Order: sequence, then structure tokens, then C-alpha cells
Amino acid sequence: EVQVLESGGGLVQPGGSLRLSCAASGFTFSAYAMTWVRQAPGKGLEWVSSISGSGGSTFYADSVKGRFTISRDNSKNTLYLQMNSLRAEDTAVYYCAKEALRWELLGYFEYWGQGTLVTVSS
Amino acid sequence: QSVLTQPASASGTPGQRVTISCSGSSSNIETNFVYWYQQLPGTAPKLLIYRNNQRPSGVPDRFSGSKSGTSASLAISGLRSEDEADYYCATWDDSLSGGSVVFGGGTKLTVL
Repeated sequence: EVQVLESGGGLVQPGGSLRLSCAASGFTFSAYAMTWVRQAPGKGLEWVSSISGSGGSTFYADSVKGRFTISRDNSKNTLYLQMNSLRAEDTAVYYCAKEALRWELLGYFEYWGQGTLVTVSS
Repeated sequence: QSVLTQPASASGTPGQRVTISCSGSSSNIETNFVYWYQQLPGTAPKLLIYRNNQRPSGVPDRFSGSKSGTSASLAISGLRSEDEADYYCATWDDSLSGGSVVFGGGTKLTVL
């Protein structure tokens, strides 16, 4: 059974840092691109960042470019999102999502985690 | 502002058919597949439609998708109370360096 489980959310002050993790199981992790999607309270879905299966290609939304870093450890079946210089507008539930097709990055997310809440506030 | 444009809300009575539109451009919808996600209150999004008009196993055939040019639509027939949710369209966009995933702003469906 495919599972993706986020962790690492919490309360952080503006300007602070946080690292999110997404533990995956039930599939060949290294064969699939992975993505972080966030949802601010009462708002819609916003794509944050994606990474290829090998980790060699990464993509970022303009809103987080230069502040967030996506990475993965295929030996541990884990996806990460390092978030630096956090702002109030980064407050959101962060979801980890698995692409449906091997070797592709399409926005075709067949599995989502339950999300982890990040709150940026003083 | 979202790259893909959806109506903020839609509504219908039980048994009715409702449609939700998703408008994009030549760099996204016109040249890439469209996906639809359903988000029930308090839960994670769920894949509803893939490759413009395909349903994952377990999704009722009351849900259907279509695409024409730079627009896509989600149709729900035989509306049921449990369809009350937020619906999002998504696709790949080729316009930014390296590309990006883009979502619509979401449509809140109310079953009256």
C-alpha cells in the first residue's frame, strides 16, 4: 500500500527556518517525482516545489525560490523541504504528493499525504 | 491570482448536473493534460480526473472531464450531497524556466 506521511511542521518566528520531511513507502521511491503543495488557511492549493526521481532536477514557485530547497534521500525513501527566511505568508498546510507515472512530472498526483501545518508568527 | 481561472463557487440541487470550468492558456492547458482534484472539508485533495477525461478506479462515472483548446471542464451529473467539496484543476505550465505545476483557484461546490 502506497503511503506518504509528512512531518516537521510547527510554529516558527518570521525569519526562521524549518525542515519538513515526507516518508514514503509502498512504491519504488527513486522512480517517481515528488512535489510539495501548500494550502494557506481558507485558501486554494498552491504548488511549491517538485523534484525528479533522481533528485537531479528541481523546480520552484517564484514565491519560494531562493528561500526553500527541495531534496530527497532515495536510500531512506524520504522527501524534504528546507524552508528558510520564513514569512507570515508561508503559513499553510504543506502536502507531499507523489506523481502517478514513473520518470514524469506532470501535476498528476495520485497520492497525497495528510499534510503538516506550518505557522509563521511572532 | 492563479494561472488557471475557475469560478469561485458553483451550486446545484440533488440530481442536477453541474459543470465547473477551468481556463488557461497555450502554455498550459492547450499543450498538456488536465487533472482535477476533489477536496472534501478537512481532508487532503484526491485525484478525480486524469489525462483530461479519465477516471481513476473508484471514482463514480457521474464525474467526467473534457478539454478544448485552452479550457477544460469538470461535469458532475446526478449531484449528491457528498459531492459538496472544493474542486481544483491542475496542469503543467511550460512558460516558466523549466516549467511548473499550476492549479486553478478552486471552486466551492454547494449542494442545495
